[in-house]
Amino acid sequence: AQSVTQPDIHITVSEGASLELRCNYSYGATPYLFWYVQSPGQGLQLLLKYFSGDTLVQGIKGFEAEFKRSQSSFNLRKPSVHWSDAAEYFCAVAFSGYSTLTFGKGTMLLVSP
Amino acid sequence: KAGVTQTPRYLIKTRGQQVTLSCSPISGHRSVSWYQQTPGQGLQFLFEYFSETQRNKGNFPGRFSGRQFSNSRSEMNVSTLELGDSALYLCASRSDPAQAFFGQGTRLTVV
Repeated sequence: AQSVTQPDIHITVSEGASLELRCNYSYGATPYLFWYVQSPGQGLQLLLKYFSGDTLVQGIKGFEAEFKRSQSSFNLRKPSVHWSDAAEYFCAVAFSGYSTLTFGKGTMLLVSP
Repeated sequence: KAGVTQTPRYLIKTRGQQVTLSCSPISGHRSVSWYQQTPGQGLQFLFEYFSETQRNKGNFPGRFSGRQFSNSRSEMNVSTLELGDSALYLCASRSDPAQAFFGQGTRLTVV
């Protein structure tokens, strides 16, 4: 069965510093990959997705992610974090475009002044 | 275009009661999925409906059920509520492959 691992439960980053959130997946083939963000008390917002092609994917709010097949990873990055980026971030996979999403446990991002 | 709307936003129920949650998808979206989010288990898939038919089902007991109407609006029902059913229930709708849009969720508290 497919699974997603986000090894960091919490990460604290200083405002203006760079960010990398890790995501590893377990699946026989290349799945569809996603990053979502959730602010307190809110639903999930899609940041970016990877289906195929260029392994570096650009998303909204200045985020990007890189797919590395050899490492089964899809890490999320941002060059300069803003206080408004504080939220919980979820990596998710699906084995086809219309299959269900399997989520990681999430990484809570805290931004310090 | 209006987003995914879930009602109510908050609910408090007593153990043993039943509850019905509603989800109105984005106009034109025929697929609606439901997820349960808890601090311990994270986000878990409940079921998906497409054109009034259940297309996928997660590993939840039969107390959890759902349906979809001809206008794509969906409801989920939980019977004989247990304390462990306290969670944020999220609904997502989609038309494009894997482009799922989530509602703000219904926060269910069982006391």
